Amino acid sequence: DADVTQTPRNRITKTGKRIMLECSQTKGHDRMYWYRQDPGLGLRLIYYSFDVKDINKGEISDGYSVSRQAQAKFSLSLESAIPNQTALYFCATSDRLRQETQYFGPGTRLLVL
Amino acid sequence: GENVEQHPSTLSVQEGDSAVIKCTYSDSASNYFPWYKQELGKGPQLIIDIRSNVGEKKDQRIAVTLNKTAKHFSLHITETQPEDSAVYFCAASSRGITGGFKTIFGAGTRLFVKA
Repeated sequence: DADVTQTPRNRITKTGKRIMLECSQTKGHDRMYWYRQDPGLGLRLIYYSFDVKDINKGEISDGYSVSRQAQAKFSLSLESAIPNQTALYFCATSDRLRQETQYFGPGTRLLVL
Repeated sequence: GENVEQHPSTLSVQEGDSAVIKCTYSDSASNYFPWYKQELGKGPQLIIDIRSNVGEKKDQRIAVTLNKTAKHFSLHITETQPEDSAVYFCAASSRGITGGFKTIFGAGTRLFVKA
């Protein structure tokens, strides 16, 4: 969905490096999410934010941190990357009035060597 | 904890045949059930959804059925076409104590439609 963009689309990094994945949206939604996708495991929630001043942990937040710089921007950081964080990462948004329906970005494929 | 089981993990059908994907959820508070289609190199996109007060919903070649008693819901695609080939995810959502929705996704079904 072109309304939700993610950068970079692909990233290779080394163990121990700090990296940031960025998400921007033009949908005007107040809620944003970061998911991780692994083969055979579906999508698992890392962090979510209901507005600029609100940050909440998801089911797999360990090793990750987030920043909601503005309503339209939500960044995910890996403070010290490790190989088992190799995965496909998706950002998603939803509207306050229909928050259960989420709109996903194109994903960032991360490889940690 | 809550989970959503999705079957099969891989499904191969001939063009024109029907495809059925089934999901089972554990959280009895779930009241919203979306289905997402993920094409290669893209993020999941919502294709159809159903709420707990409805037993069936149809949109052209796609239909979803829900059995709340059994905690089962299914996606049905009729007259499949090669462009239906993708990974399909089911999900079950419930309202959390903070007012937001909690969504649990199935592991996905890779559908191949052979021309």
